[in-house]
Amino acid sequence: DAGITQSPRHKVTETGTPVTLRCHQTENHRYMYWYRQDPGHGLRLIHYSYGVKDTDKGEVSDGYSVSRSKTEDFLLTLESATSSQTSVYFCAISGAGGPNEQFFGPGTRLTVL
Amino acid sequence: DQQVKQNSPSLSVQEGRISILNCDYTNSMFDYFLWYKKYPAEGPTFLISISSIKDKNEDGRFTVFLNKSAKHLSLHIVPSQPGDSAVYFCAASGGDNNNDMRFGAGTRLTVKP
Repeated sequence: DAGITQSPRHKVTETGTPVTLRCHQTENHRYMYWYRQDPGHGLRLIHYSYGVKDTDKGEVSDGYSVSRSKTEDFLLTLESATSSQTSVYFCAISGAGGPNEQFFGPGTRLTVL
Repeated sequence: DQQVKQNSPSLSVQEGRISILNCDYTNSMFDYFLWYKKYPAEGPTFLISISSIKDKNEDGRFTVFLNKSAKHLSLHIVPSQPGDSAVYFCAASGGDNNNDMRFGAGTRLTVKP
C-alpha cells in the first residue's frame, strides 16, 4: 500500500470556522490531489499540486485553498466552513501525474453544522 | 455538468456469473480511462485502465472495453466473487488538463454467494 495518511479522520465543526486537513505521504511522489466525494457526484477534484509550492485549481476549488511547503505534505484549508462543504475528503498521490494511476488515502469525514 | 456518467447506481449478481458495469462520457477530448474500486471507509484503489488507442484491456478476471464512437466503456468481471462487492468508479482524463480527472458517481456492486 502507498504510504498516505490523512488527518484528522473525522471532524465536526461549525459554520464560519476555519478548518485545515492534512495529507502526508512517504512515497516522495511529485503529484498530490485533494478530492471531495458526495452522493450522486462521485469524486471531484478540488486542487492539486505538481511540486513544492506549485498548485492549481480543480473542478470545485471555490471556498478552498491549499499549500505545499514540503514534498510530503499537502494541506487543504477551508477558510470559513459552510454546510455545503460537509463531505468526505480524499487525498491522492501520483508519481507521474496526468492520466496515470493515483493512490488514495483513507479519507476524512468532515461535518459542518 | 457531469462529463462522466454511471447510470446504474447499483448492480446485484450471483457469485460465479459475469458483472458488467457501464460508463458513458460526453467529452470527446478524454483519451484515458480508469476504473477504481472502493470499499466502505477506505480510499478508492486502482483496478484497470485503458487508453483511447485500444478498445480492450484485460487483467485477470477484469476486462475493460472502450467504444469511442459511442463514448462508452464497460468493465466486465468474470467470474464475480463476493469479495468484489464494492463501489466501482469510472474515471476519465484528457483534453486541456490531464490532471483534472473526472469521475462518475459510482455503481455499487453486490455479489451474492
